[in-house]
Amino acid sequence: GENVEQHPSTLSVQEGDSAVIKCTYSDSASNYFPWYKQELGKRPQLIIDIRSNVGEKKDQRIAVTLNKTAKHFSLHITETQPEDSAVYFCAASTPSGTYKYIFGTGTRLKVLA
Amino acid sequence: SQTIHQWPATLVQPVGSPLSLECTVEGTSNPNLYWYRQAAGRGLQLLFYSVGIGQISSEVPQNLSASRPQDRQFILSSKKLLLSDSGFYLCAWMRSGATEAFFGQGTRLTVV
Repeated sequence: GENVEQHPSTLSVQEGDSAVIKCTYSDSASNYFPWYKQELGKRPQLIIDIRSNVGEKKDQRIAVTLNKTAKHFSLHITETQPEDSAVYFCAASTPSGTYKYIFGTGTRLKVLA
Repeated sequence: SQTIHQWPATLVQPVGSPLSLECTVEGTSNPNLYWYRQAAGRGLQLLFYSVGIGQISSEVPQNLSASRPQDRQFILSSKKLLLSDSGFYLCAWMRSGATEAFFGQGTRLTVV
């Protein structure tokens, strides 16, 4: 089955700097890659996603890149702000008839003011 | 609009006791439903998913079971809890054929 690895497990950056979180997946059939943000004590929420037919997607300060050949994808946050502090999860999904996410282990991002 | 309800928010149970966590979705029909567990320092582990009433798929062998007695109700159960069952349990739903999953508020379970 699918396996998703995520690095780093923790990341501290100064406010205004960029943050990059990387994930790799094992199943070449995976074709959808969402990123979820979980603030302390709250539910995970989708922040951006990318499909396998696209190499990059951007939404304001957040971007995701996908390298299908290498089977890895990354989340980029520019001009980080204190409210970006949270746990971020990547996931991979295969078209098996029902979308089933396999999540990475999460990255705790701390933005230092 | 669609909403997902999960309860209780927190639960402390002794080892060997039974468990029942309930999740309901409103405002949609025939959703795909999921149970995830988030253990300390680990990611979101998929436990069960369901594409319809009475249809349950298990992702990992464990001490838990799931049932879907109604279209918008998903229940996570155990007959005898283990210490290792402690964690943060999240229910999620997804519209059939769609890609975005919506999570409930979660239940923090502590087995003592």
